[in-house]
Amino acid sequence: EVQLQQSGPELRRPGSSVKLSCKASGYSITDYLMHWVKHRPEHGLEWIGWIDPEDGETKYAQKFQSKATLTADTSSNTAYMQLSSLTSEDTATYFCASTGVFAYWGQGTLVTVSS
Amino acid sequence: DVLMTQTPVSLPVSLGGQVSISCRSSQSLVHSDGNTYLHWYLQKPGQSPQLLIYRVSNRFSGVPDRFSGSGSGTDFTLKISRVEPEDLGVYYCLQSTHFPLTFGSGTKLEIK
Repeated sequence: EVQLQQSGPELRRPGSSVKLSCKASGYSITDYLMHWVKHRPEHGLEWIGWIDPEDGETKYAQKFQSKATLTADTSSNTAYMQLSSLTSEDTATYFCASTGVFAYWGQGTLVTVSS
Repeated sequence: DVLMTQTPVSLPVSLGGQVSISCRSSQSLVHSDGNTYLHWYLQKPGQSPQLLIYRVSNRFSGVPDRFSGSGSGTDFTLKISRVEPEDLGVYYCLQSTHFPLTFGSGTKLEIK
């Protein structure tokens, strides 16, 4: 059974950074692209970018080019997303999602940015 | 960026009824490889989105045949027949033909 297990909720101060994880089980992360999606109830879903864990190639939406950094560790079958220079606008739930059609989703990680 | 216009924003429905959700794109979603990468998801309250339909009309594994997708080019529709309580939530369309990938703004299905 394919599962994506994301790390727990995070509380950060403005200007700081955070690194989220997404551990896959039931398949090798090198089999599919891993996407990351931002969700704020009043804004819906936003695609952040994807990483190809096989070769580390990444692609970002322009809006997140300077905000997010996607990496992957094939030895632990885990994908990561680091968010930098956090502001209140980054308060959201972040999902990882796998395969080209987003067939499998993690449970989401809530990031709260507050002073 | 491709703008995905999803309507209606809110959709009251009676259990057992039938509804349609529209998703229109600002440009054709036909890829150069001939495929159309338009997908539908349901996000139930407090849960992750779940894939319902991929590439316009293909039901994902385990999705009931009450859900059907259709359309072409820039105009797409998700139909839900015999609505059940488990169908309530927010529905999103997603295009992955063009970079960056873009979602519709969502349609909330709620009980009338």
